Amino acid sequence: QVQLVESGGGVAQPGRSLRLSCVASGFTFSSPSMHWVRQAPGKGLEWVAGISFDSTNEYYAASVKGRFTISRDNSKNTLYLQLNSLRAEDAGVYYCARGYCSSTSCSWGPHDYWGQGTLVTVSS
Amino acid sequence: DIQMTQSPSTLSASVGDRVTITCRASQSINIWLAWYQQKPGKAPKLLISKASTLETGVPSRFSGSGSETEFTLTISSLQPDDFATYYCQHYSSYSTFGQGTKVEI
Repeated sequence: QVQLVESGGGVAQPGRSLRLSCVASGFTFSSPSMHWVRQAPGKGLEWVAGISFDSTNEYYAASVKGRFTISRDNSKNTLYLQLNSLRAEDAGVYYCARGYCSSTSCSWGPHDYWGQGTLVTVSS
Repeated sequence: DIQMTQSPSTLSASVGDRVTITCRASQSINIWLAWYQQKPGKAPKLLISKASTLETGVPSRFSGSGSETEFTLTISSLQPDDFATYYCQHYSSYSTFGQGTKVEI
């Protein structure tokens, strides 16, 4: 079965960095796009970034562009999110999510499988 | 940027009620709209894609409709398991979620 397991969350000071990872299993990782979606405490969902199956295309929300970097290693079935210059408003649960795949093809969206999330806290 | 606006923000309902949630896009998004259900402490669950395509395993009491800028999620007969928060999402190169609708007792 499809599994996405995030890690790397924790407490970081404002201005510092964190690197999140998401290990995938149960499907051909090199096929779908992959995404990060975050949720601030008590707030709604915010799409953060997405990367195409072959890493040729990356897209970012305006709120993180220039500070966050999404990447993937298809040989390791792993998705990454590098968070730099962290701000208080970056705190929340970060979910790894798969771009939609049917039995025959994959598309950019929506997100058919999600991880359990990893918590990022930004505090001095 | 395309903005997605959901209404209402909170909805009080009873078991058996018919419930409708609306999602409006700031410009035409064709049918590139999804609906998710999220329960506290859990990841979102995809219910509907392409505005009206029900995902496998999702009960038939859920339905979606709309195109261009106006979309609705309807639950025909609310069940105890349906009390949750629902989000719409326009998915594209730059995806956007609505702010969510909490369905409560």
